[in-house]
Amino acid sequence: SQQGEEDPQALSIQEGENATMNCSYKTSINNLQWYRQNSGRGLVHLILIRSNEREKHSGRLRVTLDTSKKSSSLLITASRAADTASYFCATEETSGSRLTFGEGTQLTVNP
Amino acid sequence: DAGVIQSPRHEVTEMGQEVTLRCKPISGHNSLFWYRQTMMRGLELLIYFNNNVPIDDSGMPEDRFSAKMPNASFSTLKIQPSEPRDSAVYFCASSMEGGNNEQFFGPGTRLTVL
Repeated sequence: SQQGEEDPQALSIQEGENATMNCSYKTSINNLQWYRQNSGRGLVHLILIRSNEREKHSGRLRVTLDTSKKSSSLLITASRAADTASYFCATEETSGSRLTFGEGTQLTVNP
Repeated sequence: DAGVIQSPRHEVTEMGQEVTLRCKPISGHNSLFWYRQTMMRGLELLIYFNNNVPIDDSGMPEDRFSAKMPNASFSTLKIQPSEPRDSAVYFCASSMEGGNNEQFFGPGTRLTVL
């Protein structure tokens, strides 16, 4: 099974609401990254959190990391229709520089 | 900065034909990754290079797949012979090892094998 597993698989909310996506992983990591993918496009890096960090902010994004539970969450505040996309977590394991991606959460923000 | 460039963007071919996908990484990046994305299997790492040397090709499905990186600015992924189950979107990504290891993805090549 994949290193990163997102939850939920799909999320539908109204514009202005907050969206929270979760990611769990299995092994020791150097960092965890979140990416966004719009339909038909490549993935775009959003934010990176290192294993010694617990929380990080970037604009309307807030990421938390709990290494004891091997889990992370991505919070998008005040969502917009343009936030509609798939969101993936990716982990860089301590054993190397490759990233392992989860299966993604499909977020739909309704106007 | 043009970002990661992939060609072609779309490829439709018949089973048994050879397919070559191309990638130009971001200048200065020393790691290059090939991924395949399908609805059934999600995003899979096929192979990655560091300083033009293949480091991990454990994700390459079978001998029909091969990848090369003859220099720092060009890589190819070849499928010969192609099969319908190879239909997918193939992404190339590059990064600077030693930095944040953020990967920059190209727009992908949508491959359809009939």
